Amino acid sequence: RKEVEQDPGPFNVPEGATVAFNCTYSNSASQSFFWYRQDCRKEPKLLMSVYSSGNEDGRFTAQLNRASQYISLLIRDSKLSDSATYLCVVRPLSGGYSTLTFGKGTMLLVSP
Amino acid sequence: DTGVSQNPRHKITKRGQNVTFRCDPISEHNRLYWYRQTLGQGPEFLTYFQNEAQLEKSRLLSDRFSAERPKGSFSTLEIQRTEQGDSAMYLCASPGVEANTEAFFGQGTRLTVV
Repeated sequence: RKEVEQDPGPFNVPEGATVAFNCTYSNSASQSFFWYRQDCRKEPKLLMSVYSSGNEDGRFTAQLNRASQYISLLIRDSKLSDSATYLCVVRPLSGGYSTLTFGKGTMLLVSP
Repeated sequence: DTGVSQNPRHKITKRGQNVTFRCDPISEHNRLYWYRQTLGQGPEFLTYFQNEAQLEKSRLLSDRFSAERPKGSFSTLEIQRTEQGDSAMYLCASPGVEANTEAFFGQGTRLTVV
């Protein structure tokens, strides 16, 4: 089983749609969680951190379920500019150092 | 601009040649990661430095790969005797000072081995 698994894509949605991405992770010791966004042929950039209580940033809402080892990202009112690949990222340890482990990513294509 | 600089941005090389990439991380960040990303995959961890010490290496880092970080500042990643399978984007990441903060990525070096 892969350490971080995401929905296979691509997701094709019209502008204004709501879209949800799912992610599961295998390491129960994971402590930090992130969603990164990656545009075509560019580097990944942090979209938002994911907190245990869930968090929202404008049109984006992230949820974490530690018991199920499940993370989600909800995008409301999709814009053309949201078209990108969304990477689910976990970090195993809370202290010291540890690597970021990435999922394969889910591509989102928002059409007019 | 994340403050992490990588060069070259693109590199085309013939199979069997050696290549070297450079990463200049954010100056006050003492940790540095190298990742590799192939088409359709997420970034995969290669190696980690804290200051000048290389503390962790992935199994992906075969003996043809070597990374250094002299003086704990910039880092280099060298690939010897390149193979077509080495074609990928090589990303350098500079994590924040706090343990649980995000990593800031450079723009990457895209390697094509022909």
